[in-house]
Amino acid sequence: DAGVTQSPTHLIKTRGQHVTLRCSPISGHKSVSWYQQVLGQGPQFIFQYYEKEERGRGNFPDRFSARQFPNYSSELNVNALLLGDSALYLCASSTRVGPSSYEQYFGPGTRLTVT
Amino acid sequence: DQQVKQNSPSLSVQEGRISILNCDYTNSMFDYFLWYKKYPAEGPTFLISISSIKDKNEDGRFTVFLNKSAKHLSLHIVPSQPGDSAVYFCAAANAGGTSYGKLTFGQGTILTVHP
Repeated sequence: DAGVTQSPTHLIKTRGQHVTLRCSPISGHKSVSWYQQVLGQGPQFIFQYYEKEERGRGNFPDRFSARQFPNYSSELNVNALLLGDSALYLCASSTRVGPSSYEQYFGPGTRLTVT
Repeated sequence: DQQVKQNSPSLSVQEGRISILNCDYTNSMFDYFLWYKKYPAEGPTFLISISSIKDKNEDGRFTVFLNKSAKHLSLHIVPSQPGDSAVYFCAAANAGGTSYGKLTFGQGTILTVHP
């Protein structure tokens, strides 16, 4: 079975631009979460979506937004990019929402570099 | 505010010996804990979890111990194998909270197992 897939693998953007990152969950998984991992740190929670609704939000500015589609795939959008947005963006899927959703399956990530 | 801390950036052990990775947390609302393993160019992989109602959980060579009074957990790998060499992340969740899917990660510990 295919795991969580993310596209693109790598991306280079300029400050002020906008970026869209994409994620396809494991088949049958209805919950998708997004994390940002800065070099040398652990992943930091951005959003969780379940059944196309936002179910959790981390401490990120409004420049970050996301959505989930009827096929449970998801997009993460970041507007007005800053140098500090350079990071590995991880998508994770799980089968359920709520306490059982913490055992998540991660994709390989999208490496975003902002210059 | 680092709510989950892994104070050892790296650990080196000999093949066949025990690896002990440690994690401390400060938020008393955390009641579900997980360990993830990450290889380069891959997303984190779920290893093992423990609920706060338990103090030990075993899965093959991996055992997680939880000391709630000390707000400390540890991952024991016995026996260690070279293929265990990776970055290990401790993560915590407030499973009874309202921010579903939110995992709070530590900074990670690089484990190197020498043949």
